[in-house]
Amino acid sequence: AQSVAQPEDQVNVAEGNPLTVKCTYSVSGNPYLFWYVQYPNRGLQFLLKYITGDNLVKGSYGFEAEFNKSQTSFHLKKPSALVSDSALYFCAVRPFNQGGKLIFGQGTELSVKP
Amino acid sequence: DAGVIQSPRHEVTEMGQEVTLRCKPISGHDYLFWYRQTMMRGLELLIYFNNNVPIDDSGMPEDRFSAKMPNASFSTLKIQPSEPRDSAVYFCASSLMGSSYNEQFFGPGTRLTVL
Repeated sequence: AQSVAQPEDQVNVAEGNPLTVKCTYSVSGNPYLFWYVQYPNRGLQFLLKYITGDNLVKGSYGFEAEFNKSQTSFHLKKPSALVSDSALYFCAVRPFNQGGKLIFGQGTELSVKP
Repeated sequence: DAGVIQSPRHEVTEMGQEVTLRCKPISGHDYLFWYRQTMMRGLELLIYFNNNVPIDDSGMPEDRFSAKMPNASFSTLKIQPSEPRDSAVYFCASSLMGSSYNEQFFGPGTRLTVL
């Protein structure tokens, strides 16, 4: 079965510290992986994606993600967290041979404290 | 580009009433998705269309839910009759196959409250 797992419901980080939001996946074939962010009372916004090539992908707002094929992971990272990064983060994978469909993880609530 | 447009943004109705949610996808996009988000169940895919044709409706909870896409620029999600457990935020998203490898663009959502 093709799936995405975000093992942490919540991540707490102090402002200025590095942050990591974890994601693991299970998919047939080469994975297409995505990260989205949702601010309160808003729709999801695209952050970054991995299709092929360099395992370190850079995205919006200073975020990056590292694709690790052997560990089937796609963790979201940022070197220095901001209070304004506090939001709900979703990892997603495109299943093989299912057109435009994306499978989303359950989401991780990131809280950055001053 | 105006992005994905959803209406209404908020809907409060009474149990048993019909509810219609509307979505206008980004012009030129050929995929349209309907999602439901609740605290208990997270983000659920209800149905998606490709070129106005429903491809997968396995996420539609029951027969009270129906979705249509009469043309490339408009889709509706209808609940009839509505129940309190349908209270949720409903998102519409669109994407273009072959471009950005299916990056989906989300609308602002419709917050539905069924009393």
